[in-house]
Amino acid sequence: KNQVEQSPQSLIILEGKNCTLQCNYTVSPFSNLRWYKQDTGRGPVSLTIMTFSENTKSNGRYTATLDADTKQSSLHITASQLSDSASYICVVTRHLGGSQGNLIFGKGTKLSVKP
Amino acid sequence: KAGVTQTPRYLIKTRGQQVTLSCSPISGHRSVSWYQQTPGQGLQFLFEYFSETQRNKGNFPGRFSGRQFSNSRSEMNVSTLELGDSALYLCASSLRLADNNEQFFGPGTRLTVL
Repeated sequence: KNQVEQSPQSLIILEGKNCTLQCNYTVSPFSNLRWYKQDTGRGPVSLTIMTFSENTKSNGRYTATLDADTKQSSLHITASQLSDSASYICVVTRHLGGSQGNLIFGKGTKLSVKP
Repeated sequence: KAGVTQTPRYLIKTRGQQVTLSCSPISGHRSVSWYQQTPGQGLQFLFEYFSETQRNKGNFPGRFSGRQFSNSRSEMNVSTLELGDSALYLCASSLRLADNNEQFFGPGTRLTVL
């Protein structure tokens, strides 16, 4: 069964600290893996997209890693800020050619950054 | 460049009514996808349109339908509303249909069914 599991479900950290969010998937065949940030009441915003051949990708203080062998990805946030408080959603695309309908969404990790 | 816009932003309806939501993609984008997001289920795919044709459909009942116009704008309709249809409905646009294209999401329409 094609699934994307994220952990932890929620996380509270202090401002300035680092954190790592996990994403495990069983999606096959694999096309790419995306991380989105979703602020409360708003649409998701893309952070990174990684294909099979990429194992690290950065976007400012956000660094995503991908291990296609173990089917695991992580999103590392460095020097967290209050504005990082959001839900982070991992999405894996199945390679069946051409349709966005083959995106498999995780349920997200809710991150709260406290002052 | 303007982002994806959705109207209305908020809707309150009663059971049995129907509703139409609208989505305007980023200029030049030809693919529009619709998603339902609820706290318990996360984001769930409804359908995708490309060049006015529905290309894929998620596992939702026939009460959920949509269409795309020649200018790529899209609408989705939910008939005979049920309490469980209360959710945030998101639309996303992308340049083309290929699964390697980045999707850009709109702010969503918050539907409450009483």
